[in-house]
Amino acid sequence: EPEVTQTPSHQVTQMGQEVILRCVPISNHLYFYWYRQILGQKVEFLVSFYNNEISEKSEIFDDQFSVERPDGSNFTLKIRSTKLEDSAMYFCASIGRQGDTQYFGPGTRLTVL
Amino acid sequence: GIQVEQSPPDLILQEGANSTLRCNFSDSVNNLQWFHQNPWGQLINLFYIPSGTKQNGRLSATTVATERYSLLYISSSQTTDSGVYFCAVGSLLTGGGNKLTFGTGTQLKVEL
Repeated sequence: EPEVTQTPSHQVTQMGQEVILRCVPISNHLYFYWYRQILGQKVEFLVSFYNNEISEKSEIFDDQFSVERPDGSNFTLKIRSTKLEDSAMYFCASIGRQGDTQYFGPGTRLTVL
Repeated sequence: GIQVEQSPPDLILQEGANSTLRCNFSDSVNNLQWFHQNPWGQLINLFYIPSGTKQNGRLSATTVATERYSLLYISSSQTTDSGVYFCAVGSLLTGGGNKLTFGTGTQLKVEL
């Protein structure tokens, strides 16, 4: 069964450093998402991406965040200058059509020291 | 935005017991999914169920969209069922696609 993959599984970085989290969505999917989950809390929507542009972003997704689909397979989330409060699990998800099941990747655990 | 409430927040069961988890949501939705978050933090898709009833082994789910709630039933629980169960509801985005709003989850512990 096709699946969403994410790399790395765990990333440790120093405050102020840039990080790039990578995702490979399911190959024929058209809509892509990033979510995050701070330890012990619920999963929160960050951003959705369709037709090579952001279709919606939450208030969490400020100027420090950016997303890109640099080629036909990868979907990346960049945090320009990490803060301690960016420590969280970041999930990528994708769907083929509106309203379909969202398939989630295994997540990247980001730790900012 | 849409509100999603789950109950109970915590649940402890003896192995073999049955349980019902509830998810209430505040507005019409075009998608509803149940997830199990395992000890490694992965979100395991259990059901895509915007309406109706589905069954998968010992698990089943029912969504009554007109009354804005969904139920997840776990029968003959096992220790491997332990973890957090999330309900997430989808709403359409004007720019395309839909986003999921998650509830706060039910933490389930199944004991021997």
